Amino acid sequence: DTGVSQDPRHKITKRGQNVTFRCDPISEHNRLYWYRQTLGQGPEFLTYFQNEAQLEKSRLLSDRFSAERPKGSFSTLEIQRTEQGDSAMYLCASSFSTGQGMAGELFFGEGSRLTVL
Amino acid sequence: GNSVTQMEGPVTLSEEAFLTINCTYTATGYPSLFWYVQYPGEGLQLLLKATKADDKGSNKGFEATYRKETTSFHLEKGSVQVSDSAVYFCALSASSSGNTGKLIFGQGTTLQVKP
Repeated sequence: DTGVSQDPRHKITKRGQNVTFRCDPISEHNRLYWYRQTLGQGPEFLTYFQNEAQLEKSRLLSDRFSAERPKGSFSTLEIQRTEQGDSAMYLCASSFSTGQGMAGELFFGEGSRLTVL
Repeated sequence: GNSVTQMEGPVTLSEEAFLTINCTYTATGYPSLFWYVQYPGEGLQLLLKATKADDKGSNKGFEATYRKETTSFHLEKGSVQVSDSAVYFCALSASSSGNTGKLIFGQGTTLQVKP
């Protein structure tokens, strides 16, 4: 399977614990995105990377959230001191960007569902 | 700010019926517009897109026309099939940031097609 893969698919944790999600993009894609989706809503943009550089972060991304993409390949999204409001589906997507900055088609993974008790 | 509004679901149709899912947007400048589809148990997939006014995106029998005068991008299909049952999301990429892939999504519309 050469699509975007995310791990774990489902995480249940207690409030106050830290969690980390991993995303493996399509191998030749230089851009990687994180979105969050709550029940009954569309995905909301969180952050994106061009290779290893984090180019933009949404105001939705509080200080408890940190994302990395070392070496420009896989990415991790860590949530510290989880709160019940963090319960959501965390989606990763990747794309190939041209030299003019166009994003190209985004390919989404199936998501990692977080439940905070 | 930029936003996307879709019609409420679920939309329930019989097979071979005509489908319209309404989508309107608010944006400065000239955004690119997209429809994504999420089939049960799968990730979001790009269905079609349009990058400028009066463009028509089409794929798999679905069509949507970028209407700047009405700020709309309604999704249509002449004859739906059971396999079209899914959640459909309208989205835009704001022109001020170029097409960075930073998409603003509507809330999604669930389509159920009955045999």
